[in-house]
Amino acid sequence: NAGVTQTPKFRILKIGQSMTLQCTQDMNHNYMYWYRQDPGMGLKLIYYSVGAGITDKGEVPNGYNVSRSTTEDFPLRLELAAPSQTSVYFCASSYGWGTGSAGEQYFGPGTRLTVT
Amino acid sequence: KQEVTQIPAALSVPEGENLVLNCSFTDSAIYNLQWFRQDPGKGLTSLLLIQSSQREQTSGRLNASLDKSSGRSTLYIAASQPGDSATYLCAVSDLQGGSEKLVFGKGTKLTVNP
Repeated sequence: NAGVTQTPKFRILKIGQSMTLQCTQDMNHNYMYWYRQDPGMGLKLIYYSVGAGITDKGEVPNGYNVSRSTTEDFPLRLELAAPSQTSVYFCASSYGWGTGSAGEQYFGPGTRLTVT
Repeated sequence: KQEVTQIPAALSVPEGENLVLNCSFTDSAIYNLQWFRQDPGKGLTSLLLIQSSQREQTSGRLNASLDKSSGRSTLYIAASQPGDSATYLCAVSDLQGGSEKLVFGKGTKLTVNP
């Protein structure tokens, strides 16, 4: 069982370039999330999706775009990369939300992105 | 706005000690609280999830407690081992903008010395 997978693991971008971070989960989870983690900081939510075709902004969405055409995949698009987007990006998924364990989130290994 | 604070930011202990990591949150209207472990350069691994109706959860040498009314949680690690060295993150799940979201603390970096 692969869980949540992310590609690439590392990437260096030049300012102004664009790229897509890939995320796939094989747990048939409805909810998927993208977070960024800066050094010494907690994770901040960029975008999330509650199902195929439905996405919404999180706390720090500027400079990013997402799509959710299937249950399994939730790619994150960076347009016109800036040094402020240098970070580690984590994708996560959960079955649902609420007071039960359905809200437990499972994380991928992360993508380390440097923009120079 | 929900805020999560973890104290201390770093902790160094000798092997074999029992230790407590603290997490506090500002809004008690949470759905659940999760403790995660993060190894350097790795993703997050879920350790324990406490539902809002629960007071504690246990897994092996780990015990997490939740006091919603005071906005506090603790993670107790018994008989610490060098392999426990990692950053421990606390996150609460609450309703924001009509959907459930996790709010993370900045973590406690634990070093267990042999």
